[in-house]
Formats: sequence, structure tokens, C-alpha cells
Amino acid sequence: NAGVTQTPKFRVLKTGQSMTLLCAQDMNHEYMYWYRQDPGMGLRLIHYSVGEGTTAKGEVPDGYNVSRLKKQNFLLGLESAAPSQTSVYFCASSLGYASTDTQYFGPGTRLTVL
Amino acid sequence: KNEVEQSPQNLTAQEGEFITINCSYSVGISALHWLQQHPGGGIVSLFMLSSGKKKHGRLIATINIQEKHSSLHITASHPRDSAVYICAVGTPRFGDVYNTDKLIFGTGTRLQVFP
Repeated sequence: NAGVTQTPKFRVLKTGQSMTLLCAQDMNHEYMYWYRQDPGMGLRLIHYSVGEGTTAKGEVPDGYNVSRLKKQNFLLGLESAAPSQTSVYFCASSLGYASTDTQYFGPGTRLTVL
Repeated sequence: KNEVEQSPQNLTAQEGEFITINCSYSVGISALHWLQQHPGGGIVSLFMLSSGKKKHGRLIATINIQEKHSSLHITASHPRDSAVYICAVGTPRFGDVYNTDKLIFGTGTRLQVFP
């Protein structure tokens, strides 16, 4: 099992460009999450999904969109990147909801917006 | 004041020492998690607990619900334990369409163990 994978691992964008981060899991988990990690701050939830075809806003959703067309994939989109979106992005998945179940994290994507 | 506070922020130890990392929180919780973030960036879940104590190998996690405090202990520390240890608590997310809890993460404790 690959667990949770993320592509790409690194990306540099110019302000205003768009991109999509792909997360895939092979554990048949219902729940999937996108987090961002910034220096001096704890992980913050951007969006999450409770199953195929569902998405919901987390604590910092502005500037991001997500889709969960297939159970195993969760896509994070930046329509018009801004320097404030420079961060490390982590995808995670869990069988039950994260507050009461174990989360499995992907390796992270380091995004720089110039 | 942050809802989840960890102490210390940074910790150095000699191999073999007993390590304690603390986590205090100010909200009602459904569960508390300890995670480990390796120097390469990967994050692994270590424990989830809502009461008492759990042990896995040289790692022990305890929680005191009344005092809103948890500790992560590492016995006989080793250089491979060097990592950032993150505490997170699950707490109600009001107004959520899916009626889920939210996780609030601490900023982490950076541990370095020297041989």
C-alpha cells in the first residue's frame, strides 16, 4: 500500500497563476483533508471531505477550492495564487472523522508563490 | 491565548535521557492526539487518547481531563527520536453542515537528541 500520496512535491508559482494539488489514498478512507503548515503556527485545515462527492470548508478556506469526484482522490485548487499562499500543504485521510480517529498524512507539497 | 499550548518549544537531550513534552488546552475535547513530524517533513500519528494513559514502545502518553493537560514521555531517548512533536485536540465545530469536530493543532515541540 502506498498510503497517502501527494503530487507535486515542490512547486513555484508566480502571483496570479493557478495550480492543482493532487492527493490520493489507497486505504478506502471516507474522510480526506487538506491542511497548510506555516512557520510558528499549527496545522490549519483548509477544506475537508466526508465522502465521495462531498466537500466542506475548514478554518482557512479562502482562495482555495476542492473536489472529491472519486473516493480515493482529493484535489486542492488555487485559482489565482497569492504570496500569502506560500506554505507547505499536507493532505490526510482517515476512516472515521479526524477528531476521534487516526489520520494518515501525505509527504507534503512545498509551494512558493513569488 | 492559543487554545492549545505546548511546552517547551525546543528541547535538547542526551541519548538515554527521559523526555517529557507537555500540552495544555482550554477547550472541551472529544480526544487528544500526539503526532510526530520527522526532519524530512512527514507526519505520523502516535497516539489518540481521551482518558488515562497509552504506551507504545518507549513512548507513553497521558491525559488529565480535569486539568486539561496531556504529557508525552519518551524513555531512553535516542537520536532517531529527534523530531517535532505536535499535540492536537478535537473539539466541536459549531454550525458545521456535516456535524464534525475540528482539530486544533499546537505549534509543536522540537526535540533534538544528541549521541
